Amino acid sequence: DAMVIQNPRYQVTQFGKPVTLSCSQTLNHNVMYWYQQKSSQAPKLLFHYYDKDFNNEADTPDNFQSRRPNTSFCFLDIRSPGLGDAAMYLCATSRDFLGYEQYFGPGTRLTVT
Amino acid sequence: DAKTTQPTSMDCAEGRAANLPCNHSTISGNEYVYWYRQIHSQGPQYIIHGLKNNETNEMASLIITEDRKSSTLILPHATLRDTAVYYCIVRVAHQGGSEKLVFGKGMKLTVNP
Repeated sequence: DAMVIQNPRYQVTQFGKPVTLSCSQTLNHNVMYWYQQKSSQAPKLLFHYYDKDFNNEADTPDNFQSRRPNTSFCFLDIRSPGLGDAAMYLCATSRDFLGYEQYFGPGTRLTVT
Repeated sequence: DAKTTQPTSMDCAEGRAANLPCNHSTISGNEYVYWYRQIHSQGPQYIIHGLKNNETNEMASLIITEDRKSSTLILPHATLRDTAVYYCIVRVAHQGGSEKLVFGKGMKLTVNP
């Protein structure tokens, strides 16, 4: 059974057109993360939520926002996608921090035209 | 942040043990070593983690040296499906008591028939 679900798996958007990626989890985990992975690079953390507390990485562009309306769902909003934002976006969850593993979803591959 | 160093790539014959090394000479006493892998076009998958003692689960074994400056991930009987990029990660403390995974470049393991 899927535990971390990401929809859609593939998303195409136009330059400058806002896009939202979604993530849901059936694990009831406290922490949800969003990572960006560009081609041939390692995943890079954008931000995370611990419950409703939002933590933004210092180098995450303002163009990227996130919402977590409840425990199960978390959204990544890209307000004005540029060509450089084309990437795989990975959602992950963990029960807590120290000593707990992260469970990743399959990712959403974003193409910007 | 404690950093890790892994070989760029490694080959292994199917059915043989795969020993994946990782150096983390600046690791602190309370930092865990985590291993994840990422099969092409999928989200990273948790394998195993440890602090001081050797660990074993259904996927792999983790051997940590006594000085904790290096570790080895062992896949006892590699299969073709184990072909992936393997990431050795030291969980780093983050602001507000949180943690984050900082992915390095990882190591590409290719299991050959």
